[in-house]
Amino acid sequence: DQQVKQNSPSLSVQEGRISILNCDYTNSMFDYFLWYKKYPAEGPTFLISISSIKDKNEDGRFTVFLNKSAKHLSLHIVPSQPGDSAVYFCAATGAWGNTPLVFGKGTRLSVIA
Amino acid sequence: DAGVTQSPTHLIKTRGQQVTLRCSPKSGHDTVSWYQQALGQGPQFIFQYYEEEERQRGNFPDRFSGHQFPNYSSELNVNALLLGDSALYLCASSLSRTGSQYFGPGTRLTVT
Repeated sequence: DQQVKQNSPSLSVQEGRISILNCDYTNSMFDYFLWYKKYPAEGPTFLISISSIKDKNEDGRFTVFLNKSAKHLSLHIVPSQPGDSAVYFCAATGAWGNTPLVFGKGTRLSVIA
Repeated sequence: DAGVTQSPTHLIKTRGQQVTLRCSPKSGHDTVSWYQQALGQGPQFIFQYYEEEERQRGNFPDRFSGHQFPNYSSELNVNALLLGDSALYLCASSLSRTGSQYFGPGTRLTVT
C-alpha cells in the first residue's frame, strides 16, 4: 500500500506561469514532508521541506502548502522556468533526523518556453 | 567539497550473479542510506548504516546486505540477482545530528 501518492505522472506548464504539484499521504504518523527534484543521470536534490506543525513554507520561487486534515500537500513554483523541468518527488518521514524517507512515484514537470 | 559519489555508474549482470555497489559519503557525513528506484517508481529505502552497523532496514530480503567502513564509505551487496532487481540504486549520506540526506547520482543495475 502506497503511503505517499503523487497521482499526476506528468504536468506541462508554460514559462512564467505557476506550476502546482500535488501529493497525498495516508500515514498520520508522518511529521516532515520534503520535495526533491531529479534531473536525468543525477540523484534527487533537496528542494524544500515542511514540518507538520506548519501549513506553509516558502523559499524563493518555491512554496509548499500542507493541509494536515486532508493529508495533502502541494508544491507551487512561481514563476516557472525551463530549468525547472525535472521529475519532482514528494517524500515523508516520521521524524527529522536520519529516519527513512518514504517517496511518491514522482511527477514529471515540463516547462515550455 | 565533493558530494556523494557512487561507483560504478552502470552495471550489467546475469540472473543468479552477485553484485557490489559502492558509495562515498559527502565530506563530514557519517551515515549512509541506500535506496532502490525501480522504473516509474519513487526511491524505496533498503537500509541505513551508522557507526559501521545496520541501524534501520526496509522491506527487502536478506539477499540485500551492506557494509560501512571506518571512513564511512559503504557497500551494497545483492546476491542471487533476479530480473526484478534491475533498478537505479541510490546512496544518500547525512550527518547523524542533522539528518538532511544528500543523494548521489546512483548506479544503474541491469539484470539480464
